[in-house]
Amino acid sequence: GAGVSQTPSNKVTEKGKYVELRCDPISGHTALYWYRQSLGQGPEFLIYFQGTGAADDSGLPNDRFFAVRPEGSVSTLKIQRTERGDSAVYLCASGGGADTQYFGPGTRLTVL
Amino acid sequence: AQTVTQSQPEMSVQEAETVTLSCTYDTSESDYYLFWYKQPPSRQMILVIRQEAYKQQNATENRFSVNFQKAAKSFSLKISDSQLGDAAMYFCAYRSAWVIGANSKLTFGKGITLSVRP
Repeated sequence: GAGVSQTPSNKVTEKGKYVELRCDPISGHTALYWYRQSLGQGPEFLIYFQGTGAADDSGLPNDRFFAVRPEGSVSTLKIQRTERGDSAVYLCASGGGADTQYFGPGTRLTVL
Repeated sequence: AQTVTQSQPEMSVQEAETVTLSCTYDTSESDYYLFWYKQPPSRQMILVIRQEAYKQQNATENRFSVNFQKAAKSFSLKISDSQLGDAAMYFCAYRSAWVIGANSKLTFGKGITLSVRP
C-alpha cells in the first residue's frame, strides 16, 4: 500500500467493553509504533515493535493495554475494560529507514 | 528523559507572509534528530522537515526552513510565503540517535495551531 492505514477510523464503545484497533504499515517496514494523542496534546508513545517482537512497551499505561504483531506486518492494539479516560486518537507509525516515521490517519476512540 | 516544549498554543499569519514557530527541548544527549510534523484536521501526521543534531547546516525544504541552535536547545520552524493549506497543528519532536539497529520513539511537544488569514 501507499501509506500506513488504520481501521476503524472512528470507534465508539461503552465503558467496560473490549476494543481492537488495527494498523497496516507500509510494506517492508520492520518498525511499527503506537502513540496515543489526547485532545489538545501531542502524541505520546505507547509501544514499539521491531519485526514481530515488542522492543519497547514502556509507554503502555497499564495492563489493560496490549498489542500484537504476529507476522511482523499488521499490528493490533487491544484495550480491555475500557474507561472514559481511554478516549483519544490512537496513531500508528511505521519506519523503514534510520530515523523517519510515517504515520497513519489514526483511530478516534470514544468511550461513553 | 527528554522533553520538548512548544510554549505558543496558537499563531496566525497573513497569506504570503512569513511565520516562525518556536520549539525548545531538553536532553543530555549529544546526538539526536529533531522533526517538525504537520497535523491537519484529517489527523494524518505529515513530516515537514528534519534536522540531524551533528549537522551544523540548517535544514530546508522548499518554503520550510529551521533555525537550529544546539547550544540553546532551540529548533524553530520558519514558513515562508504562507499558504492557506499550511493551516494546521504543528508538532516539534525529538528522537535519540543512540539506538543501535532500530528506530526509536518520538517525543512530541504539545503542538501549536497555525491559522492562515486570506
